Amino acid sequence: GDSVTQMEGPVTLSEEAFLTINCTYTATGYPSLFWYVQYPGEGLQLLLKATKADDKGSNKGFEATYRKETTSFHLEKGSVQVSDSAVYFCALSEGGNNRKLIWGLGTSLAVNP
Amino acid sequence: GAGVSQSPSNKVTEKGKDVELRCDPISGHTALYWYRQSLGQGLEFLIYFQGNSAPDKSGLPSDRFSAERTGGSVSTLTIQRTQQEDSAVYLCASSSFIGTGTYGYTFGSGTRLTVV
Repeated sequence: GDSVTQMEGPVTLSEEAFLTINCTYTATGYPSLFWYVQYPGEGLQLLLKATKADDKGSNKGFEATYRKETTSFHLEKGSVQVSDSAVYFCALSEGGNNRKLIWGLGTSLAVNP
Repeated sequence: GAGVSQSPSNKVTEKGKDVELRCDPISGHTALYWYRQSLGQGLEFLIYFQGNSAPDKSGLPSDRFSAERTGGSVSTLTIQRTQQEDSAVYLCASSSFIGTGTYGYTFGSGTRLTVV
């Protein structure tokens, strides 16, 4: 079945460092891809998404490009801030009318000042 | 409402008791989902409601779990005869669904269930 694999955390960076969180997927169809973020004590929030190959999702300085050839959707940010400390989840949406998401296990990011 | 509302936010129950978890989705969202987030695990799909269609129950882990959605709005997830392995955060999400468009979900803050 479809699946999502994320790099294991925790990831610890200094402020202004470059961030990459790897995400790869397996899917039989043409899924949409998402990154969600969960800040401490808060619910999951959609960070960005891409619905077809070569699309780039971006939000709050984060970017991810849907790469069909490598089945990847890596999350990047050029300069992280302390406020980016959170857990990041990669997910894919199965094709068809069923929009349930398949999730990675999440990657915890801690940014130190 | 402005967001997805879940209640209670925390629930501690004794093993063997039944619990009901409530989700009030965003007004007008036709799709509603229940997920479970266990410590050290990813999100586990439980059940999906879309409009008046029959729900997708394929993720329910056992027949002790059931869910209903009344009037296309509020949903209740019921766990009968709770077990310790049911301890988790139960998340509800809703989304709009138009044609083949794909929309991100809006999640509630979850219900943290602890079975003692």
